Amino acid sequence: EVQLVESGGGLVKPGGSLRLSCAASGFTFSSYSMSWVRRAPGKGLEWVSSISSSSSDIYYADSLKGRFTISRDNAKNSLYLQMNSLRAEDTAVYYCARLVAPYHFDFWGQGTLVTVSS
Amino acid sequence: QSALTQPASVSGSPGQSITISCTGTSSDVGGYNYVSWYQQHPGKAPKLMIYDVSNRPSGVSNRFSGSKSGNTASLTISGLQAEDEADYYCSSYTSSSSGVFGGGTKLTVL
Repeated sequence: EVQLVESGGGLVKPGGSLRLSCAASGFTFSSYSMSWVRRAPGKGLEWVSSISSSSSDIYYADSLKGRFTISRDNAKNSLYLQMNSLRAEDTAVYYCARLVAPYHFDFWGQGTLVTVSS
Repeated sequence: QSALTQPASVSGSPGQSITISCTGTSSDVGGYNYVSWYQQHPGKAPKLMIYDVSNRPSGVSNRFSGSKSGNTASLTISGLQAEDEADYYCSSYTSSSSGVFGGGTKLTVL
């Protein structure tokens, strides 16, 4: 059974940093691209970033470039999102999702809540 | 990337059919047959309902179907049931080799 479990969310002050993790199991992690998608309170889903299976291709939403960094460790079956210079508008539930080429998300984690507030 | 355009809400009675539209541009919806649809119940993770415009994943009811014409994709739910009440999102591959979601549609089953 495919499982994606996010962790690392919490309350952080504006300008702060947070690192999200996603532990994957039930499939060959190193064979799949992975993504982060978020949903802010009262808003819709927003694609954040994607990384290919070997980390050779990385993409970010235009609004996030330079602040967020996606990475993965195939030996640990884990996906990460380093978030720096956080703003109030980054407050959201962040989901880890498996990306099937070229573009659909077939499995999702339950999400981790990030709250940016002073 | 600009979000794809979906109606904010749609509603229908049990047993009826409803259609949710998703309008983009030739750089996303119109340019590729890579539109997908997701269902999200409150407090739950999104669930893939349709991929590559009209394909249903294993386990998804055949009451759900997808189509596309030009820059607009559509999700049709037939035989509406109470458990179909949820938020629905479309998504498309884009010319930037990334993706974009629609703004979401709240489906109410009357």
